Amino acid sequence: GAGVSQTPSNKVTEKGKYVELRCDPISGHTALYWYRQSLGQGPEFLIYFQGTGAADDSGLPNDRFFAVRPEGSVSTLKIQRTERGDSAVYLCASSLAGASNEQFFGPGTRLTVL
Amino acid sequence: GENVEQHPSTLSVQEGDSAVIKCTYSDSASNYFPWYKQELGKRPQLIIDIRSNVGEKKDQRIAVTLNKTAKHFSLHITETQPEDSAVYFCASSDKAAGNKLTFGGGTRVLVKP
Repeated sequence: GAGVSQTPSNKVTEKGKYVELRCDPISGHTALYWYRQSLGQGPEFLIYFQGTGAADDSGLPNDRFFAVRPEGSVSTLKIQRTERGDSAVYLCASSLAGASNEQFFGPGTRLTVL
Repeated sequence: GENVEQHPSTLSVQEGDSAVIKCTYSDSASNYFPWYKQELGKRPQLIIDIRSNVGEKKDQRIAVTLNKTAKHFSLHITETQPEDSAVYFCASSDKAAGNKLTFGGGTRVLVKP
């Protein structure tokens, strides 16, 4: 079956602009995670959804970052007033919460803020 | 919160030799320890994982060991091949905390033919 997909694969924007990054999880996966990976580092947790609700948003760096998952499937990560320091690869992962810990990652969106 | 340290940051081995990567974690509640392989520009791919109720797991040339008392776990790759060259990440999670993964800093492995 289809894996986790993310769009766009690359996004270049200017400082101060608003961006939306989309994640399509594996069908039937109730848990969805967003991570951010800076160059040469491991992914860092941002936010976790169980169904439609954000169960843990402790990794969001500040209030410019927000994510939604209105129907419990597709999720959108929204970044307002982007800064150069937001440049990174944003990874999405999904899993069958409760049945397995294994998280399946998407290919990521590379965000570049000029 | 959880902290995961990974060593070494780079590892160069001759083809056919073994490679060992070590990680330590801080949260005694962590109960799941996956290892991911990430090739340049690609997504992280799970290669093996271990849960806190076992001490060792093996899958062909790859094995992982876990010492809960010492809070460390290790990845062992035997008979390395050039296609094993990649960045490897260890991670930990606690199911009770939603399974969010805390990653180590990564190990860049280069297998020289």
